Amino acid sequence: AQTVTQSQPEMSVQEAETVTLSCTYDTSENNYYLFWYKQPPSRQMILVIRQEAYKQQNATENRFSVNFQKAAKSFSLKISDSQLGDTAMYFCAFTISRQGNQFYFGTGTSLTVIP
Amino acid sequence: KAGVTQTPRYLIKTRGQQVTLSCSPISGHRSVSWYQQTPGQGLQFLFEYFSETQRNKGNFPGRFSGRQFSNSRSEMNVSTLELGDSALYLCASSLVPGEAFFGQGTRLTVV
Repeated sequence: AQTVTQSQPEMSVQEAETVTLSCTYDTSENNYYLFWYKQPPSRQMILVIRQEAYKQQNATENRFSVNFQKAAKSFSLKISDSQLGDTAMYFCAFTISRQGNQFYFGTGTSLTVIP
Repeated sequence: KAGVTQTPRYLIKTRGQQVTLSCSPISGHRSVSWYQQTPGQGLQFLFEYFSETQRNKGNFPGRFSGRQFSNSRSEMNVSTLELGDSALYLCASSLVPGEAFFGQGTRLTVV
């Protein structure tokens, strides 16, 4: 079975500080993609960052970076210089390459950035 | 470039009725997948269509169905609505594997 676990239902961080959101997943597949999506109150799911499992180098997108540990099946998201606009629900997810675009989502982490 | 468009944005239906939701993908995208989001169950995969064919299906009852047209627009239908079908329904369009852009969703309320 394919599962995603986000063990932190809620987190908060001071503006300009750094925060790390945890995610572990389970799959027996070897070829897959990992994602972090952000869902603000508007409910639009916005892609934050994407990682191909075959790449050892951690993905980075401006203030967002991941720590991908394939053997441990861990995929944490680090947000640097947190901004008020980062307040949102964050979902960790993955797709399996041979399964098209079927996403497996975690339960989400609600992040609040405090001014 | 236009994003993924879902219509309607909000919908209120009565138990027992049926409903059809629409999703227009980004131009050129041939894959459309659907998800149900509820506070209790989170985000659950319904099905994926690619070039008018259902490629994957989640674990939902047969009351949930979908289709895709030749222009890649997709519809999902829920028949005999139940209160538990109240949810945010999201669709996502993809051009290549491992990439998806989501629409703003349709908020369905069943009363």
